[in-house]
Amino acid sequence: GQQLNQSPQSMFIQEGEDVSMNCTSSSIFNTWLWYKQDPGEGPVLLIALYKAGELTSNGRLTAQFGITRKDSFLNISASIPSDVGIYFCAGHHAGGTSYGKLTFGQGTILTVHP
Amino acid sequence: SAVISQKPSRDICQRGTSLTIQCQVDSQVTMMFWYRQQPGQSLTLIATANQGSEATYESGFVIDKFPISRPNLTFSTLTVSNMSPEDSSIYLCSVGSGGYEQYFGPGTRLTVT
Repeated sequence: GQQLNQSPQSMFIQEGEDVSMNCTSSSIFNTWLWYKQDPGEGPVLLIALYKAGELTSNGRLTAQFGITRKDSFLNISASIPSDVGIYFCAGHHAGGTSYGKLTFGQGTILTVHP
Repeated sequence: SAVISQKPSRDICQRGTSLTIQCQVDSQVTMMFWYRQQPGQSLTLIATANQGSEATYESGFVIDKFPISRPNLTFSTLTVSNMSPEDSSIYLCSVGSGGYEQYFGPGTRLTVT
């Protein structure tokens, strides 16, 4: 099945620093989604991307849908302590037979030191 | 986005027993999904809950182990049957309407002893 490679696995940064993480796939996706999961909670949708090359912002978060449709990145600017959590990319495979089915990356654990 | 609740929020169960998890949405939704998240891992789709018909299971998951009901467009249940310690996970329901965006419930934290 389709797999997403998400990197890095974990990041330890100082408050105020910028963060970048990305996901790559060997196959084409027609949708990329970025989620954040806090401890003890379900994932929360941060940004949705539907078009190749699309660049979308949500506050300090910016995500892009790669031109090849096989990758996406998420940037967080000026990190703050509440950015701590696990970030997941997810994609919907183009041409897939299971409508609505998402594939998830392995997650990036973000730690922000005050 | 829809408000999604799950019951129970957590449970500790004995090996060999079964637990039914409920997912309730505050509005009608087209798609409902059930995921498993093992400790320290990503999300794995168990099945798509279809309203009025049998659920569609992913490879590695079977109806006898994870029976699913979806009697209407706002409610679904997932049962974890004949549990073993390997079933200790977070079980999450999610909903989608129209596009590919999915919104998740808070999860049910299951520990099997």
